[in-house]
Amino acid sequence: QQQVKQSPQSLIVQKGGISIINCAYENTAFDYFPWYQQFPGKGPALLIAIRPDVSEKKEGRFTISFNKSAKQFSLHIMDSQPGDSATYFCAARDGGSQGNLIFGKGTKLSVKP
Amino acid sequence: GAGVSQSPSNKVTEKGKDVELRCDPISGHTALYWYRQRLGQGLEFLIYFQGNSAPDKSGLPSDRFSAERTGGSVSTLTIQRTQQEDSAVYLCASSRQGLNTEAFFGQGTRLTVV
Repeated sequence: QQQVKQSPQSLIVQKGGISIINCAYENTAFDYFPWYQQFPGKGPALLIAIRPDVSEKKEGRFTISFNKSAKQFSLHIMDSQPGDSATYFCAARDGGSQGNLIFGKGTKLSVKP
Repeated sequence: GAGVSQSPSNKVTEKGKDVELRCDPISGHTALYWYRQRLGQGLEFLIYFQGNSAPDKSGLPSDRFSAERTGGSVSTLTIQRTQQEDSAVYLCASSRQGLNTEAFFGQGTRLTVV
């Protein structure tokens, strides 16, 4: 059972455009929602994270929007740059199982110059 | 060390052989995770250790897979009688317990079964 559903699987955006990646979940025990960025040959690295008591968090060009009632959250990358080209994973921490992190299947983002 | 260290970085093994993959987490991190990432795919959860609690083994794909964590620090993932389908990058991550639950990943071990 896929606990965190991520879309799209791949995304192509022009430089300067907005990249939007969406995730949805069912488990109401999830209490922490991070986004990870992975470059080829590297391990994932934390990009930005949000807790369900806030609806939006912004760090530079990266924004998480969180809709608790719809059990959805999304990552927005403003003014996308070629250096943002990477695979992005949303994740959710299961507070009911001592903190296990469940990941979405990832979105491969390509930003064209 | 400063980060999560995994060894070896690459491993080529013959089908049917056993392999051991090692993870050294960040000092003081009580949580340790193992994930499998097939080429171009997402992160598949394998097993999770948290302090002295019983590990969450619900992601292990078969009884050929096992993992242990000694002394609450170093972890070893063992795959017995390897199959070609086991070929993947195996990623380890660790995190502190508590509200700050950022998980730090190692570079992974790329396993190729021939």
